[in-house]
Amino acid sequence: GDSVTQMEGPVTLSEEAFLTINCTYTATGYPSLFWYVQYPGEGLQLLLKATKADDKGSNKGFEATYRKETTSFHLEKGSVQVSDSAVYFCALRGFSGSARQLTFGSGTQLTVLP
Amino acid sequence: GAVVSQHPSWVICKSGTSVKIECRSLDFQATTMFWYRQFPKQSLMLMATSNEGSKATYEQGVEKDKFLINHASLTLSTLTVTSAHPEDSSFYICSAPRGLAGGPVRSGANVLTFGAGSRLTVL
Repeated sequence: GDSVTQMEGPVTLSEEAFLTINCTYTATGYPSLFWYVQYPGEGLQLLLKATKADDKGSNKGFEATYRKETTSFHLEKGSVQVSDSAVYFCALRGFSGSARQLTFGSGTQLTVLP
Repeated sequence: GAVVSQHPSWVICKSGTSVKIECRSLDFQATTMFWYRQFPKQSLMLMATSNEGSKATYEQGVEKDKFLINHASLTLSTLTVTSAHPEDSSFYICSAPRGLAGGPVRSGANVLTFGAGSRLTVL
C-alpha cells in the first residue's frame, strides 16, 4: 500500500538558517503530494501541494518539488523564522483522489531559536 | 476561515473507563468526518470515516466496539474510546472535508479542515 517516510525530528535551527525536511513516498500510479503544518494548539493546515511530477508547490517561503524519479517531496525554506516552529507532516493522496486516501508521514517537529 | 473545534485537547483517564472526544465544525456543515490516531513517532493513521445519519466506516484492524463513532448532526461527530487501556494512549485527530469556495464536497477537490487533536493518556 501507499506509505510516506519523513525525516525524524526534532529539528532545531537558529533563525535565518536553511531548512530541509526530507520526505519520500511509495505509491502506485500518480499520487498528489502535500505538506501540512500544525502550529501549537491548532489543527493541521495545508501548507503546499503538488499534483504531478516536476510541479513545485510553494507558500510562505516554503517550497517542495515533486520528484517522481526519486519519489521524493522534500520541504525547503531558505531562511526560517521563530514563527515557523511547528510540526510538519508530509502526505500523499492516492490516485482515487478521495480525501479518505490521504496517507501521512509521522511528522517532524521543528523548533527555531531566536 | 473554516474551523473544526476538537475537545478535550488533553485527557487522562483510568484504565477501564470510557472517554468521549468531540469534533464540531463551527462554520460549515460536515457530512463526513475523518478520525485519525497517531502513536508516538509513528504516522497519522486513518481509523474511521463518520457520515452524518449513517454508520461509520472503519479501517481494517480498528475495533468498532472499542472506538464508537457517532455523527448525530451536520456539525458534530464524536469518538468514544470504551473501556480504555494504556495501549489506547495516543493522539486522536479529526478532520472534515469541505467544498472549495463553500461549494459541495467533491472527490479530489476538497479542503480538509483539522481539529487541533486530543491527547489521551490511559493510566
